[in-house]
Amino acid sequence: GQSLEQPSEVTAVEGAIVQINCTYQTSGFYGLSWYQQHDGGAPTFLSYNALDGLEETGRFSSFLSRSDSYGYLLLQELQMKDSASYFCAVRGLSATNKLIFGTGTLLAVQP
Amino acid sequence: KAGVTQTPRYLIKTRGQQVTLSCSPISGHRSVSWYQQTPGQGLQFLFEYFSETQRNKGNFPGRFSGRQFSNSRSEMNVSTLELGDSALYLCASSSTGDTGELFFGEGSRLTVL
Repeated sequence: GQSLEQPSEVTAVEGAIVQINCTYQTSGFYGLSWYQQHDGGAPTFLSYNALDGLEETGRFSSFLSRSDSYGYLLLQELQMKDSASYFCAVRGLSATNKLIFGTGTLLAVQP
Repeated sequence: KAGVTQTPRYLIKTRGQQVTLSCSPISGHRSVSWYQQTPGQGLQFLFEYFSETQRNKGNFPGRFSGRQFSNSRSEMNVSTLELGDSALYLCASSSTGDTGELFFGEGSRLTVL
């Protein structure tokens, strides 16, 4: 089976940097994605790592290490609007858009 | 470009009833997948349709079914509703690109009484 574990909650202050980790157990996958979901809203795509290493998109960066079964999302210059739930997700090896989502991390940004 | 549209946004049903939820994907997207989101279980994959064919199915009972039409619009149906079916049902569409990027709708929030 496949499982992805994340910390349930993270708290940080405005302007700070926060890292949300995702550790997984899976036999194989195409890549690791990250999604943001505000309370009551639709999940929105943030980033995708097909290969090991760091991907940077503005204030957000994502990292993947397949050898360590580990990835993380790094959020810099935190803003109040970044308060949301964050999910990592893996896409299986077959031709499919089936995503297995992590347990989710609720990020609270404080002033 | 219009986003993914789901209807209805909210609905209340009673145990034993059935419900049909609708999803209109982004124009040009041929893949539509459905997810159930609950506080206890998180986001769980239900099924995916591509060009009117079910391409993958999650671990849900047969009461959960779906279909996709020739215009890529999709519906999912839940029969013989149970209290535990109360959840946010999310639809996502995607092109065939290999980026792991899904575009989600706002969801249909189902409450079963």
